[in-house]
Amino acid sequence: DTAVSQTPKYLVTQMGNDKSIKCEQNLGHDTMYWYKQDSKKFLKIMFSYNNKELIINETVPNRFSPKSPDKAHLNLHINSLELGDSAVYFCASSPAAGTQYFGPGTRLLVL
Amino acid sequence: AQSVTQLDSQVPVFEEAPVELRCNYSSSVSVYLFWYVQYPNQGLQLLLKYLSGSTLVESINGFEAEFNKSQTSFHLRKPSVHISDTAEYFCAVSGDSSYKLIFGSGTRLLVRP
Repeated sequence: DTAVSQTPKYLVTQMGNDKSIKCEQNLGHDTMYWYKQDSKKFLKIMFSYNNKELIINETVPNRFSPKSPDKAHLNLHINSLELGDSAVYFCASSPAAGTQYFGPGTRLLVL
Repeated sequence: AQSVTQLDSQVPVFEEAPVELRCNYSSSVSVYLFWYVQYPNQGLQLLLKYLSGSTLVESINGFEAEFNKSQTSFHLRKPSVHISDTAEYFCAVSGDSSYKLIFGSGTRLLVRP
C-alpha cells in the first residue's frame, strides 16, 4: 500500500537516449515534486506541480520535462541523456506547502 | 534566500552512546524544519518536523530535535543509538508558504558495535 511510488527503480541507459520516470501518489495530495540526488548525496529540487500546474522550475536543462496528467501523477521525461544525468531521482508529494513525503527513488545510470 | 548547514559530514559513534547531529539554518522568513533519514539504498523517510508550537519535537524511535530560533539551529539528538540507526540524516527547511524544501548536505551516522 505504497504512498508514493516510482517506476522504474533502476534505469541503465546509453548516452543520447530518451527516458521517462513515472511517479504516482495515493495520498490525495495537491502538490508533487522531483528532486535530484547527486553522487555526493546532495539533494536539490528540480520541479514542483500544484494541481497539475507548474509552480517551481529550478535551473534545470530543458532536456528535462515534467508532465502531470492528473493530481496523482508526475512524470519526468529526459531527452538526450548525458553522463552527468546519472543520479538518484526522487519524487515527493505534499498537501499544498506542507510536509513532503518521498518515493523510493529511481537510480539512473547513463553509460 | 534560505540555506541549511550540516557541519558534520560523518559522525562515528559506538552503540548505546548518545549522539547529536548538528543543523543550522538561515532564513529571512518563518520556517518549517525537518529531519529526514535515508537508509542505505533506500528513499527518504520523514523522521520529525517542527512547524509551530513546542520547540522540542520527538520521533517514535527515540530521536528528538529542538528548534532554537536565537541560534537558528535544529540539532538532532538521541540518548542511546543502535546499530540500526546507521544511515544518512538530512536536515531541511522550508518557508511557511514555500513549496520548496532546501536540504543540508547530510550527515552520515555510523554506529559501531
